[in-house]
Amino acid sequence: AQSVTQLGSHVSVSEGALVLLRCNYSSSVPPYLFWYVQYPNQGLQLLLKYTTGATLVKGINGFEAEFKKSETSFHLTKPSAHMSDAAEYFCAVSGSADALNFGKGTSLLVTP
Amino acid sequence: GAVVSQHPSWVICKSGTSVKIECRSLDFQATTMFWYRQFPKQSLMLMATSNEGSKATYEQGVEKDKFLINHASLTLSTLTVTSAHPEDSSFYICSATGRETQYFGPGTRLLVL
Repeated sequence: AQSVTQLGSHVSVSEGALVLLRCNYSSSVPPYLFWYVQYPNQGLQLLLKYTTGATLVKGINGFEAEFKKSETSFHLTKPSAHMSDAAEYFCAVSGSADALNFGKGTSLLVTP
Repeated sequence: GAVVSQHPSWVICKSGTSVKIECRSLDFQATTMFWYRQFPKQSLMLMATSNEGSKATYEQGVEKDKFLINHASLTLSTLTVTSAHPEDSSFYICSATGRETQYFGPGTRLLVL
């Protein structure tokens, strides 16, 4: 069984500040890990994913995440927050191309 | 890139009626599609796995007779909410597996009055 835990249901950062959204996973097999963003009343957009290989994964909109097996973590970061980054972010895990198990989500607020 | 569409994007219906939601993969063939449900302020929960040409696999707690899934072709899966009730009001999102990646549709918002 696979699951993810997102620490912090709400995160608030100032515009230009570092964004750090935390995700820890549990998996009995090598995990595939994902971060998605959801804007209000819209579907999901894939930010980035880790399958195998390089543990630092770069995604769209300046986001990146690092797979740390020893810490069972896949935290999402962005060096400088923009107002347009305000959205709901979901971490997810799957075994391969199977269905995804999503975290509860983290709502990112960016203040001027 | 791959695109998955859903139709309709939103629907309002009366309690007791049935609603059909379509999920289409537009530029790739999807042997597997997934249906998720998202209640307000909550995460996505997997409802069922739809496999082309075979019966869908439902997650625990999801009534297969209420949520009918048909995956008749490699590009189309449908979810029918039968005898919808207000508690079925939710955001329904499908995804399709192609090129070892899941691609999500834009979602269908269902409101049952």
